[in-house]
Amino acid sequence: DAKTTQPTSMDCAEGRAANLPCNHSTISGNEYVYWYRQIHSQGPQYIIHGLKNNETNEMASLIITEDRKSSTLILPHATLRDTAVYYCIVWRGSQGNLIFGKGTKLSVKP
Amino acid sequence: DTGVSQNPRHKITKRGQNVTFRCDPISEHNRLYWYRQTLGQGPEFLTYFQNEAQLEKSRLLSDRFSAERPKGSFSTLEIQRTEQGDSAMYLCASSFGQGARETQYFGPGTRLLVL
Repeated sequence: DAKTTQPTSMDCAEGRAANLPCNHSTISGNEYVYWYRQIHSQGPQYIIHGLKNNETNEMASLIITEDRKSSTLILPHATLRDTAVYYCIVWRGSQGNLIFGKGTKLSVKP
Repeated sequence: DTGVSQNPRHKITKRGQNVTFRCDPISEHNRLYWYRQTLGQGPEFLTYFQNEAQLEKSRLLSDRFSAERPKGSFSTLEIQRTEQGDSAMYLCASSFGQGARETQYFGPGTRLLVL
């Protein structure tokens, strides 16, 4: 599975959009980009995933570049409850384990 | 709540004791995963089951660790002769695997402290 690179930490003002970048330059054609987040002392929570098209759900939007070497997770109106560690994972989407890095610690500030 | 559940949520034990954790996956999910997470790190894969068959084990899963999923529903993870280095959060995830594109859903974890 491809390796991902994320910033260690980011800050965002409450009510503003949080844009979390992820680089995955070695992604294979059959690998998906998954995003999870982990609020302190809880299990990881699935957010969204995509292959090559942009995706949106009730939690977030995922923008994948045309060459698929990077992506951005967008939380449109961040709240204090969005403070968490966000993990970008590249995975073929079937069987096998997810490989987590250290993620991005997002701090939403009032 | 129909999510993944784990019990107990917290466990404190003395070095050398055996501990067992339980995971109840989302109903009808055929795949079940165990991960371990230490402070400041992302979760690391331990093992996974498809139905009752244990299909993959990480090198992290020493011979003191054993996992079962006897009827393809709930799973247990046992650690024998615990060591202080076993202190971690143990996470369970489940998914419905049918071809490509499955999503793993995680439980709240069991936090183990070995004294």
